[in-house]
Amino acid sequence: EIQLQESGPGLVKPSQSLSLTCSVTGYTITSGYDWSWIRKFPGNKMEWMGYISYSGSTNYNPSLKSRISITRDTSKNQFFLQLNSVTTEDTATYYCASGYYGLGGDYYFDYWGQGVMVTVSS
Amino acid sequence: DIQMTQSPSSMSASLGDTVTINCLASQDIGNYLSWYQQKPGKSPKLMIYGATNLEDGVPSRFSGSRSGSDYSLTINSLGYDDEGIYHCHQYYEYPYTFGAGTKLELK
Repeated sequence: EIQLQESGPGLVKPSQSLSLTCSVTGYTITSGYDWSWIRKFPGNKMEWMGYISYSGSTNYNPSLKSRISITRDTSKNQFFLQLNSVTTEDTATYYCASGYYGLGGDYYFDYWGQGVMVTVSS
Repeated sequence: DIQMTQSPSSMSASLGDTVTINCLASQDIGNYLSWYQQKPGKSPKLMIYGATNLEDGVPSRFSGSRSGSDYSLTINSLGYDDEGIYHCHQYYEYPYTFGAGTKLELK
């Protein structure tokens, strides 16, 4: 079974960079799927941040403009999130998830990490 | 971006009740909508995809429907295991967007 696990600091200072790792077991990230980062803000609103595909291409939410970067290390079967110039509004629980393309254009996140809560505060 | 207006933001219902959660899309998204259930401290779980298709293993008490740009998740015979936050998600176009979430509690 596919398992995803996020790791990274739980506290980041304003204006600094947030860096998270998603470690994947049970599946090779170059074999298929999109590998996404999704966050949930206090108050429950979710935001899709972007993904890196199995081929290495990326797609980002324009709302994050040039602050976001998603990369990978295929030798470790990991992918990463970097979010620059964070503010208190980036305080959220961050999830990594696998995006699956089903039949007829369906797309859904079928495997998720347990989430890591990140607080932006001085 | 496609806005997903989800309602209600929270609700309380009794054991055995039938409840409905709604999401209104700001433009046509066809059937490219899914529903996730999230329990406290857990990650979201896919319940419905393609607006009406039940994910494997999800009880048949859950159902999804669509009327134009209005999407609904209905839960029949409500049980304590159904408590949690429900999120709708559109995957018609980038950026993928979610509704604001509905917190369901049992009385």
